Amino acid sequence: NAGVTQTPKFRILKIGQSMTLQCTQDMNHNYMYWYRQDPGMGLKLIYYSVGAGITDKGEVPNGYNVSRSTTEDFPLRLELAAPSQTSVYFCASSRGTPYNEQFFGPGTRLTVL
Amino acid sequence: AQSVTQPDIHITVSEGASLELRCNYSYGATPYLFWYVQSPGQGLQLLLKYFSGDTLVQGIKGFEAEFKRSQSSFNLRKPSVHWSDAAEYFCAVDPTGGSYIPTFGRGTSLIVHP
Repeated sequence: NAGVTQTPKFRILKIGQSMTLQCTQDMNHNYMYWYRQDPGMGLKLIYYSVGAGITDKGEVPNGYNVSRSTTEDFPLRLELAAPSQTSVYFCASSRGTPYNEQFFGPGTRLTVL
Repeated sequence: AQSVTQPDIHITVSEGASLELRCNYSYGATPYLFWYVQSPGQGLQLLLKYFSGDTLVQGIKGFEAEFKRSQSSFNLRKPSVHWSDAAEYFCAVDPTGGSYIPTFGRGTSLIVHP
């Protein structure tokens, strides 16, 4: 049972490039989340999904897109990368609120130069 | 709207000393409360959670937390800190009433001196 896996672990992008951060969970969780973490700022929710085919915006969705075609996968797409998107990105999954904790992936450290 | 406040950005303790990390929440109904730990370079891991019943809950790694409704607090404690406890700690509250988005505090960074 691998839990939540994220790829890549590290990535450097040039301004204007695009990329997809991959997230997969093997716990059959319906709920999945994408967060970004900046130093001293805690976690900010980018997008979330409560099941395959259902996604919704979080607190900071601008510049990102998501899709959820399967229960297991929840990729995050960055279009036209900007320096403000330099951050650590975490994917998480859960059986659902309010009783169940979130399981987090190890994170992707992204730098945009 | 619900909110979670962790008043301390950094806490420094000596190894072997006791620890208390503060968490205050603002929420109208019975809260569902969580503490997570984030070791350097890692994702968050659940330490403990509270839904109802006994207000003192035990977690992993020797941590415990006490829910105090009158003070809207859910403070995390450990009687004797180990150097490996140095990490970032996050308090979180889960919503009820149809929302799907947990609310996290900003985190408290724990520094442990030998």
